Amino acid sequence: GNSVTQMEGPVTLSEEAFLTINCTYTATGYPSLFWYVQYPGEGLQLLLKATKADDKGSNKGFEATYRKETTSFHLEKGSVQVSDSAVYFCALANAGGTSYGKLTFGQGTILTVHP
Amino acid sequence: DSGVTQTPKHLITATGQRVTLRCSPRSGDLSVYWYQQSLDQGLQFLIHYYNGEERAKGNILERFSAQQFPDLHSELNLSSLELGDSALYFCASSPGVLPYEQYFGPGTRLTVT
Repeated sequence: GNSVTQMEGPVTLSEEAFLTINCTYTATGYPSLFWYVQYPGEGLQLLLKATKADDKGSNKGFEATYRKETTSFHLEKGSVQVSDSAVYFCALANAGGTSYGKLTFGQGTILTVHP
Repeated sequence: DSGVTQTPKHLITATGQRVTLRCSPRSGDLSVYWYQQSLDQGLQFLIHYYNGEERAKGNILERFSAQQFPDLHSELNLSSLELGDSALYFCASSPGVLPYEQYFGPGTRLTVT
């Protein structure tokens, strides 16, 4: 079945530091890949997505590249801000089989950014 | 604001009781997904409805059921509640059945005492 593995957190950084959150996946076929962010007390917000190999998703300074050869979709940001403090989830969705359309999530990585 | 609404925001109830959670998808979206978020299990897919029909089931207990109505809103019914059912329940919507991005509601926090 499908699975997503994220680097264990929590991750604590100083403002303006470089961020990487690792994400690897196992899936059949050609899944679509997503990063979602959850701020305290809120629902999940789509951060970025990629639908095929070598696609780069980007939004709000965050980037992730769909690497089929390494089955990875690592999240990066060049300079984090205090407002980026949240929980980040990597997820995938398949287009076929019994898992059609559903999102499979990683365990989430807590990011805390200090001034 | 994702455009997905969920009610109620919080729900406190006793073991053995039954509750109904409600979700209204974004305008134009035909798919509704339900997820459960708990500390020990993380985010787990429960069930997917598309245009009124059940399309896929995940780790949904037999005590739980859902439906999607002609106006496309959906309800998740949880019965014979146990302490372990305490969790955040999210619904999400998307335009169709392909793996489009899903837009999440703010969630319903269920506490079973």
